[in-house]
Amino acid sequence: DGGITQSPKYLFRKEGQNVTLSCEQNLNHDAMYWYRQDPGQGLRLIYYSQIVNDFQKGDIAEGYSVSREKKESFPLTVTSAQKNPTAFYLCASSPRTAAGYEQYFGPGTRLTVT
Amino acid sequence: AQSVTQPDIHITVSEGASLELRCNYSYGATPYLFWYVQSPGQGLQLLLKYFSGDTLVQGIKGFEAEFKRSQSSFNLRKPSVHWSDAAEYFCAAGGGGATNKLIFGTGTLLAVQP
Repeated sequence: DGGITQSPKYLFRKEGQNVTLSCEQNLNHDAMYWYRQDPGQGLRLIYYSQIVNDFQKGDIAEGYSVSREKKESFPLTVTSAQKNPTAFYLCASSPRTAAGYEQYFGPGTRLTVT
Repeated sequence: AQSVTQPDIHITVSEGASLELRCNYSYGATPYLFWYVQSPGQGLQLLLKYFSGDTLVQGIKGFEAEFKRSQSSFNLRKPSVHWSDAAEYFCAAGGGGATNKLIFGTGTLLAVQP
């Protein structure tokens, strides 16, 4: 079955710790994306990648970092510099980088930082 | 600035009643338009998309949407709502560049009463 997997589903961390969220796709998609979702704010783009070893900042990249060493993997690190990291994080992928292709979403990871 | 507006935060309809969820966009050119649905704690699933051509678009689960250029709108409709349609619905817009970035509305939470 092709799809996007995110792990873990729930993640708990202490303030001041970095944490890495996993995102893997076996759809052979070129583009991958990370979104943050907060109640009442919709989805906001953190980072996106159009090709291996390349990525661009989205609208709210501060306090986050990513890597794209393999086509199928796009992990997100939430650093201690992120002021309000508790949120629902969604990973997505798209077949091509050009505009117009739909994005396919993973099941999400809920991160709670205390 | 490009934006997507969903004016209704929360809507309640009776099972069997018709449904219309509103979406307005502000874009430099005609964007690609999408409707996604999200069940609690899950990822997003694509309902339908508009690229060009026929302004009435059919999607999955009996949903349809109509693109109206003059009103900058892309409203989602369903003639008869089922209890399983209770979820959050997101409108998104993209296009106009070399990337497949999407701008999401803040979502409309649909409740279905028996």
